[in-house]
Amino acid sequence: DIQMTQSPSTLSASLGDRVTITCRASQNVSSLLAWYQQKPGKVPNLLIYKASSLERGVPSRFSASGSGTEFTLTISSLQPDDFATYYCQQYNTYSGLTFGGGTKVEIQ
Amino acid sequence: QVQLQESGPGLVKPSQALSLTCTVSGGSIITGGLYWTWIRQHPGKGLEWIGNVYYSGRTYYNPSLKSRLLISVDTSKNQFSLRLSSVTAADTAVYFCARDRGYSNYDYYGMDVWGQGTTVTVSS
Repeated sequence: DIQMTQSPSTLSASLGDRVTITCRASQNVSSLLAWYQQKPGKVPNLLIYKASSLERGVPSRFSASGSGTEFTLTISSLQPDDFATYYCQQYNTYSGLTFGGGTKVEIQ
Repeated sequence: QVQLQESGPGLVKPSQALSLTCTVSGGSIITGGLYWTWIRQHPGKGLEWIGNVYYSGRTYYNPSLKSRLLISVDTSKNQFSLRLSSVTAADTAVYFCARDRGYSNYDYYGMDVWGQGTTVTVSS
């Protein structure tokens, strides 16, 4: 199985801060990676696909990069609506899909 | 737009089977390139991919659940279903169905439509 490790697990930040979340894969996943946002009691929402492509309707303050084993999700200027938990997720044809453990973005 | 809705019992006894159905509305389940997916989230925990099914009936399962899992599709009803046998308290979770846009030309397109989720509790 491919393991996905996110860091940090919790991140405290203020409105307007630039925030970066890291996701590392235990083996090369190329650019077969997506990012999701989930608010408490809500459904996950796709933010990023193909490792760096912004899903339609997602604000441009979200961006992502990476390939292979290391990926980042960046929020350029944290807004009140962005306090949530973020998950990376990889796709592998043979072993299936796995999610990272999540990064909770909290108000500092 | 496409919407997904999970249905099924909210309470299942240990050792019995958990069965859920996801109804797809606003679009056809017979759409090339889409994988109809089950995901679960244990209380206060992260997301776990359970498996998916293509409209042809081909399935892909999480290896850790494979021995207990059956995912099927009913194209006539625009539905897909999950059956997880021999459940224990560890299977208590919120179960989501989702549409996965899949993989093409070394690119992965992610899960863009999700059901609201249904809570399943395993308890006697």
